[in-house]
Amino acid sequence: AQSVTQLGSHVSVSEGALVLLRCNYSSSVPPYLFWYVQYPNQGLQLLLKYTTGATLVKGINGFEAEFKKSETSFHLTKPSAHMSDAAEYFCAVSPDTGRRALTFGSGTRLQVQP
Amino acid sequence: SQTIHQWPATLVQPVGSPLSLECTVEGTSNPNLYWYRQAAGRGLQLLFYSVGIGQISSEVPQNLSASRPQDRQFILSSKKLLLSDSGFYLCAWSPDGGRNQPQHFGDGTRLSIL
Repeated sequence: AQSVTQLGSHVSVSEGALVLLRCNYSSSVPPYLFWYVQYPNQGLQLLLKYTTGATLVKGINGFEAEFKKSETSFHLTKPSAHMSDAAEYFCAVSPDTGRRALTFGSGTRLQVQP
Repeated sequence: SQTIHQWPATLVQPVGSPLSLECTVEGTSNPNLYWYRQAAGRGLQLLFYSVGIGQISSEVPQNLSASRPQDRQFILSSKKLLLSDSGFYLCAWSPDGGRNQPQHFGDGTRLSIL
């Protein structure tokens, strides 16, 4: 069975500081991993995805994530936070077959302090 | 390019009234389709998903039902709304093609039950 754990339901950083949002997964098959961002009253937008190949994945808005199989992790980072990064972030893992839904974590709300 | 449309954006309904939310996808064929609900301050709850016309899988037994009358149309319904049905409803689609496909979300419907 697939599962995703996002450590920290709320993360607060100062503008310009490093952003680190943690995601650990469990999967019965080789995983494909995704990060989404959700702004208030909007749908989820795909930030980046890991499918195969390079384990360091770059996404939109300056975010990147690194797939670490040995640690079953896929943490999201951004070197310098911007006020516009304040949002909710969801990590997701692929299903065990192609005809099911992604499994999402419970989300991390990022606050950026001026 | 593919687009997903979800309407209405907001809806206020009395307890006991019926519900119909509609979602359509353009620019692709035979997509997988999903309905999610987000309660206030909570994560994503998968309600239904569909891999084809007339094929609906229910993830959580509840007061809601879903139908897929056409390839790119997904409808969420209820005969009698409960207060607990309040929330943010999101429709999503993914290509039918494997576990490495991301899901793409609509803008959501904010449903308030009075």
